[in-house]
Amino acid sequence: GENVEQHPSTLSVQEGDSAVIKCTYSDSASNYFPWYKQELGKRPQLIIDIRSNVGEKKDQRIAVTLNKTAKHFSLHITETQPEDSAVYFCAASKDYKLSFGAGTTVTVRA
Amino acid sequence: SQTIHQWPATLVQPVGSPLSLECTVEGTSNPNLYWYRQAAGRGLQLLFYSVGIGQISSEVPQNLSASRPQDRQFILSSKKLLLSDSGFYLCAWTRAAGSNQPQHFGDGTRLSIL
Repeated sequence: GENVEQHPSTLSVQEGDSAVIKCTYSDSASNYFPWYKQELGKRPQLIIDIRSNVGEKKDQRIAVTLNKTAKHFSLHITETQPEDSAVYFCAASKDYKLSFGAGTTVTVRA
Repeated sequence: SQTIHQWPATLVQPVGSPLSLECTVEGTSNPNLYWYRQAAGRGLQLLFYSVGIGQISSEVPQNLSASRPQDRQFILSSKKLLLSDSGFYLCAWTRAAGSNQPQHFGDGTRLSIL
């Protein structure tokens, strides 16, 4: 099955700096790559996604890039704010199923 | 708009007791439905998914089972809970139109086994 690896597991950034989270996947048939943000005790919420026919997508301070040849995709958060502190999960989709990375705990220092 | 409901929000059960968690989706027809478990500080593990009434696919062998008695209802069950069944259980739905659709999660059930 699909194997998704996510790095780093923890990330501490100064408010205003950028944060980058990287994921790799194993199955070249995966064609959809969402990112979720989960605050403590809450449900994961979709923040951005990208499909395999697109290389980059941006939504305000958040951007995702996809390299299908290398089978990796990344989340970029610019101008980080305290409310960006959370756990972020990447995922890869194939055949109606999502395979999740292990998560990155992001802490934004004021 | 579509909404997803899960209940109960929290549950404390003794080892060996049965379990029934329920999830319903409103505002859409024939959704794909999913059950995940999340251990404390860990990622999401897919337990079951369903693409239609009575159609259940199991991802991980265990003492849990799932059923889909109605189009927008998904139930997670166990006859005898184990200590290792503790965790945060999340239901999710997605549109049935292809595999590249976002999944939307319910608020989850926090299950503690004593």
